[in-house]
Parts: sequence; structure tokens; C-alpha cells
Amino acid sequence: SHELTQPPSVSVSPGQTARITCSGDALSKRFVSWYQQTPGQAPVVVIFEDNKRPPGMSQRFSGSASGTLATLIISTTQVEDEADYYCFSIDVNNEQGAFGGGTRLTVL
Amino acid sequence: QVQLVQSGAEVKKPGASLRLSCATFGYTFSHYFIHWVRQAPGKGLEWMGIINSNDGTKAFAQKFQGRITLTRDSSTSTVYMDLSGLGSDDTALYFCTREPDYKILTGEFLYPFDYWGQGTPVTVSS
Repeated sequence: SHELTQPPSVSVSPGQTARITCSGDALSKRFVSWYQQTPGQAPVVVIFEDNKRPPGMSQRFSGSASGTLATLIISTTQVEDEADYYCFSIDVNNEQGAFGGGTRLTVL
Repeated sequence: QVQLVQSGAEVKKPGASLRLSCATFGYTFSHYFIHWVRQAPGKGLEWMGIINSNDGTKAFAQKFQGRITLTRDSSTSTVYMDLSGLGSDDTALYFCTREPDYKILTGEFLYPFDYWGQGTPVTVSS
């Protein structure tokens, strides 16, 4: 089965850089996208195709990917960035999609 | 404007079946796939399956194989998800979301899951 692994939580101080990782065997062959979710809301895409930002997304959000590891990078982290973050990818072998388990970002 | 509008909340008994709908507006229906994603209370996002709105081809997460069906009605631009054999662990908020068919659409800012339905709460309880 297609599985993506994320750390359950990441904590940073305001102004620091937050890095959230996502690992999985299928990542070496398919793009990763990242989603931000706040309580009670639908997810919002922050990064797609490993490192592209949607129109209007803050430049503080960036992404990288190498081999079986993808990373979401949030620079100059702000309190408003506190949320759950999920990676997503599709396994090209069986077209199975999967989200990572999610990472709770705390800014304090 | 683009909208994905989902059907209303459901309460089901264990063992029952469920049909949810996702009506789409404001774009060419056949140019986008529809994914279904659910989120149990206090838990993470879970991918369930995908349907190609153009030709109806589908793929499902292994854990739902055999009890999930996805269909589409091109005349109303609506996608349906049927889930059978409900258990208490199917209690969740169910979302539909879209992804461009990159074989049809080209452009710099096409990306998956740009629009989501409002979510349908499903409760499975005896």
C-alpha cells in the first residue's frame, strides 16, 4: 500500500523557519503537494508539484523533494501559520493516492 | 464561479449503505477528476478514491475495495460516492475535491485540490 510518513508535530518560535518532512517510497516517481488545514475548514493547497506555489500563496511557503523525501519549508513563521499540514501523492504503480498522517505546527 | 456542493448530513446504522453526492458548477466537468477524502473526528485526512469525470475510470484506496462505488452523471455534472457495510469507524466528514486532467488542460497554475466541497458529516451509530 502507498504510505507517507510525517512527524506528528513541529514547534518553532515566531520568525524561525519550520521544516515539515514527508517520506515514502512512491515519492521518487510522483509529485508531492502540501495542504494546510485549520480547525473546521477544508484543506488549502500551499505547495504543488513539489515546489510550486499557487497564485496568491505567501512566498514564505516553499517545498523541496529529493528521492523518497519531500519537505515543506515555512520561513519567517508567523502565529497565523499554526495549523495541520498534510502531504499528498499518488503511487504511479497502482494509482493509489495517500495523505501523510499530518503534522501539527505550533508557533510559540 | 467554481463550486463543489455536497449533499447534507447523514446518520446511518451499522451495516447500512451510504450515498453522497458532489454537484459541480462553474467549470467544464469533464476536464477534472473528482477525489473523495474523509476525516474522522480528531484524525487526519484519508484518501478514498478518484473518478475521471470524462471517461468514468476509477481507482480506490485498498482499504475500501469492494465496498466503495464512484459514479458520475455528466448531464448534471455530479459525482456520487456509495459506501456499503458501514461501521462506526466510517463516522467522518467526507469531502469531494477536484484535480485537473493534465492530458486535457495545460497551464502554469493547474494543481490538485484547488476547490473542495463543504464536507458532508456522516455519523454511523446504532
